[in-house]
Amino acid sequence: GAGVSQSPSNKVTEKGKDVELRCDPISGHTALYWYRQRLGQGLEFLIYFQGNSAPDKSGLPSDRFSAERTGESVSTLTIQRTQQEDSAVYLCASSLSGYYQPQHFGDGTRLSIL
Amino acid sequence: SQQGEEDPQALSIQEGENATMNCSYKTSINNLQWYRQNSGRGLVHLILIRSNEREKHSGRLRVTLDTSKKSSSLLITASRAADTASYFCATALIQGAQKLVFGQGTRLTINP
Repeated sequence: GAGVSQSPSNKVTEKGKDVELRCDPISGHTALYWYRQRLGQGLEFLIYFQGNSAPDKSGLPSDRFSAERTGESVSTLTIQRTQQEDSAVYLCASSLSGYYQPQHFGDGTRLSIL
Repeated sequence: SQQGEEDPQALSIQEGENATMNCSYKTSINNLQWYRQNSGRGLVHLILIRSNEREKHSGRLRVTLDTSKKSSSLLITASRAADTASYFCATALIQGAQKLVFGQGTRLTINP
């Protein structure tokens, strides 16, 4: 079946602009996660959704970052007033509920802030 | 700082040799997972080991977990060129176990 789909795959924008990143999880996966990966680094947790609610937003780096999920499906991550330090790959993952479920990742959105 | 730290940061071996990567973590965990990432792609789940398990196998992969030392190792036997990738360990904490905390990764290169 289809995997996790993210769009766009690449985004280049000017500092100060807003960007919106989209994630389509695997159908039936109630849990959805956003991570950020800087060049050559590991993944940094941003936010986790269970259904449409976000019980853990602890990783969002500032109030410029927000995310929502609708219909227990698509999620969007919005970054307002982008800054150069926001440049990174943003990865989305989804999983079934439960502690022992592996996460399935999309290929990410590579965001470059000029 | 990161919960997981991996060692070595980079590893280069000949095809057919075994590759061992290590991961250490700081706080008690619910489970530990290993993922592979090919360049420019997302992560692929390899194996999950629960905190009450000591060893797990999957094909050419063998994972061990020592909770007393807060460490894990991933062994890839009979390596192939296609195993070239970055490998990450990720820990699920006891509280908030659905959130994974990733290490910095080990970049593995298999030379033909």
